[in-house]
Amino acid sequence: EVVLTQSPATLSLSPGERATLSCRASQSVSSYLAWYQQKPGQAPRLLIYDASNRATGIPARFSGSGSGTDFTLTISSLEPEDFAVYSCQQRSNWPRTFGQGTKLEIK
Amino acid sequence: QARLQQSGPGLVKPSQTLSLTCAISGDSVSRNGAAWNWVRQSPSRGLEWLGRTFYQSQWVHQYAESVKSRIAINPDTSKNQFSLQLNSMTSEDTAVYYCVRGASWGRGWYFDLWGRGTLVTVSA
Repeated sequence: EVVLTQSPATLSLSPGERATLSCRASQSVSSYLAWYQQKPGQAPRLLIYDASNRATGIPARFSGSGSGTDFTLTISSLEPEDFAVYSCQQRSNWPRTFGQGTKLEIK
Repeated sequence: QARLQQSGPGLVKPSQTLSLTCAISGDSVSRNGAAWNWVRQSPSRGLEWLGRTFYQSQWVHQYAESVKSRIAINPDTSKNQFSLQLNSMTSEDTAVYYCVRGASWGRGWYFDLWGRGTLVTVSA
């Protein structure tokens, strides 16, 4: 199965700063990668699909890039509501797998 | 606006069977272009896809190898819902269980609608 490794595990930043989160796949997943946001007590929410496309209603400050094995989620200027856990997920191979998550916390 | 409403027990005894149901509103379990999944989340295993069912001329079922021998995901078209049965539960199955819709986005299917989750604890 494809293992997704996210880094860093925790990222401490202040509102207004730029956040860069990484997801690395153990083998190529082409561009079949998604990013999800999860807040405490809530289910994940789809942010980005096919590595770089924003889902409906997702603000433009969220962007995704990468292909093959290396992917990045960037939040250009952090808003207070952006502090959450972010997970990547691949749909290139079975079973579908998720990264272990990056916790974005307020510094 | 589509919604998924989960129901089922939060406590299961070891060796017993977990049964959860996910009622769909605003969409159809039989719709072509959607798949109905169960995903669980625990501190030790993170998010883990368990399986899915979808209709494509006939019903298709796909399961993760890790649970394939003891899982069943079935649709109920009369009630527009789908269910999860997981047999022979152990403490390692303690997790939050989510029902999730997979739908077509761009080049493939992604998980775009999630239930609120059910915390299932396996304990005597």
